Amino acid sequence: ETGVTQTPRHLVMGMTNKKSLKCEQHLGHNAMYWYKQSAKKPLELMFVYNFKEQTENNSVPSRFSPECPNSSHLFLHLHTLQPEDSALYLCASSQEGGGRPQHFGDGTRLSIL
Amino acid sequence: GENVEQHPSTLSVQEGDSAVIKCTYSDSASNYFPWYKQELGKRPQLIIDIRSNVGEKKDQRIAVTLNKTAKHFSLHITETQPEDSAVYFCAASIRQAGTALIFGKGTTLSVSS
Repeated sequence: ETGVTQTPRHLVMGMTNKKSLKCEQHLGHNAMYWYKQSAKKPLELMFVYNFKEQTENNSVPSRFSPECPNSSHLFLHLHTLQPEDSALYLCASSQEGGGRPQHFGDGTRLSIL
Repeated sequence: GENVEQHPSTLSVQEGDSAVIKCTYSDSASNYFPWYKQELGKRPQLIIDIRSNVGEKKDQRIAVTLNKTAKHFSLHITETQPEDSAVYFCAASIRQAGTALIFGKGTTLSVSS
């Protein structure tokens, strides 16, 4: 039981498909994050939401579109992805404010055909 | 831009030995430094963290030291065990009041019995 749940755990899609990744946190946090983890690369911060407002967009291509309807839910909408987008996508949450630990979900393993 | 360098990328030790992983950060405003452990196929888990007003913190076999002047922090694991084998990531907060973290590239620790 992680407190941060991601679905689906695995996703295979073609480059022309549209899909969405979902993240839900049950920890009462008000900040949520999307990270991309590729082989032999550091965790790459993609988006940050504080109190449902996007506060960071780390130069992510527009084919990735985040949505945060409330403090407990975070989505990542995917369309027209490229093979290099295949990776593990991790969601995390924390309390808002500096110096707060982030709690991760188990991730969605995404494979682009 | 902000950057976190982590060394070494791989570390192999014998059971019972100590392991040290070092990180340097570039943003002088960083004030929060967590360490995460990620086992194969699992989510990153926070193992210890330190704030900039503290020079050292210890939790059983794990300790972290911080040198703000040198912008350098280290993870020390004593009496290593095979179950310590994993990838370890250091991270530093981005901007003093922000919640975002920037991660190092990770260190793969292998503990052989």
